Amino acid sequence: QKEVEQDPGPLSVPEGAIVSLNCTYSNSAFQYFMWYRQYSRKGPELLMYTYSSGNKEDGRFTAQVDKSSKYISLFIRDSQPSDSATYLCAMSGQGAQKLVFGQGTRLTINP
Amino acid sequence: DAGITQSPRHKVTETGTPVTLRCHQTENHRYMYWYRQDPGHGLRLIHYSYGVKDTDKGEVSDGYSVSRSKTEDFLLTLESATSSQTSVYFCAISESEFSGYTFGSGTRLTVV
Repeated sequence: QKEVEQDPGPLSVPEGAIVSLNCTYSNSAFQYFMWYRQYSRKGPELLMYTYSSGNKEDGRFTAQVDKSSKYISLFIRDSQPSDSATYLCAMSGQGAQKLVFGQGTRLTINP
Repeated sequence: DAGITQSPRHKVTETGTPVTLRCHQTENHRYMYWYRQDPGHGLRLIHYSYGVKDTDKGEVSDGYSVSRSKTEDFLLTLESATSSQTSVYFCAISESEFSGYTFGSGTRLTVV
């Protein structure tokens, strides 16, 4: 079983929809949670960073962490075609020097 | 990508040949990482460095070695390339162990 599970999709939604992306994990030591966005043939770029549990909002993006359920989510409001990309969750534990990544979910926003 | 460059961007090599990929940063970050990205597997850590001459293995280190003689450069070497090492290789840097990573643009390696 992988430490981090993420549905690879693909996920296709109409423009303006609310998108929900999710990851589950098994390692209870994880405390740092991130979401990366990766456009085709590009490197991943950091989108959201959350420490421990709770919510974080940045513009149209909201990251949620539920440590009791070992479940994290990324919500995208008012989705745009430019949001079409692969979204990867990543997480690490206290003192860890390396992230563990999910497989990535490929998202397409249709105009 | 600002502050981090990978070379070459593309490479085709023959089975059994040695290959070295280079990652160069101008951010003076302490931590550097090499990942490979494959369909169905996502990003997997090969090796990482936490300082000059300080390196450690990641999840998929077999067949790979690394060196870091200067803060700004982190080299990944495939001693004898195999077809299973055909992949996209990403270098990443981070300021601290708790920071997010900044990734390079990747090197697409094909072993024939």
